[in-house]
Amino acid sequence: AQSVTQLGSHVSVSEGALVLLRCNYSSSVPPYLFWYVQYPNQGLQLLLKYTSAATLVKGINGFEAEFKKSETSFHLTKPSAHMSDAAEYFCAVSPPHTGRRALTFGSGTRLQVQP
Amino acid sequence: DADVTQTPRNRITKTGKRIMLECSQTKGHDRMYWYRQDPGLGLRLIYYSFDVKDINKGEISDGYSVSRQAQAKFSLSLESAIPNQTALYFCATSGSEETQYFGPGTRLLVL
Repeated sequence: AQSVTQLGSHVSVSEGALVLLRCNYSSSVPPYLFWYVQYPNQGLQLLLKYTSAATLVKGINGFEAEFKKSETSFHLTKPSAHMSDAAEYFCAVSPPHTGRRALTFGSGTRLQVQP
Repeated sequence: DADVTQTPRNRITKTGKRIMLECSQTKGHDRMYWYRQDPGLGLRLIYYSFDVKDINKGEISDGYSVSRQAQAKFSLSLESAIPNQTALYFCATSGSEETQYFGPGTRLLVL
């Protein structure tokens, strides 16, 4: 079975500060990993994904994440927060190469950006 | 037009009523999913379908049923709604690549 743990249900940063949202996974084999963002009253939108290619993955809106197998982590970062980054962020995992995939989501981290 | 649509967007119902949430997609994807979102719990998978004849239970399927009427349509039913089914429900689709595309959600309140 696979699972995802997001450390910190709420994170608050100042505008211009570094954003770091933590995600650790549990899986018997290196999985596929995703970060999704949910803006208020909207559905989820893909930020970026890791599918066993480059370990440093760049996504939309200046976000990136690094897959670290030794740490079973896939933390999301952005060098400089913007007010528009305020949203809820979800890390998700799926088993690789099976052809039949369903995502397992973490519990989410709500990012607040202070002016 | 949105690629994944959900109807209704908001619904209030009473305990014991049967309701259906509908999802349609224009992406041509074979795979469709239903999730529910509760505060602090993230999204949990209710049912998923990899093609019209393939339907699978997710981690929280009790109290729900689904119907895949066509490649583009996947409906979720609550046969007898109960208050703890109050939640935000999302439909999603995916193709041969792994990315799932989500609808805007249906907010359900069971009184």
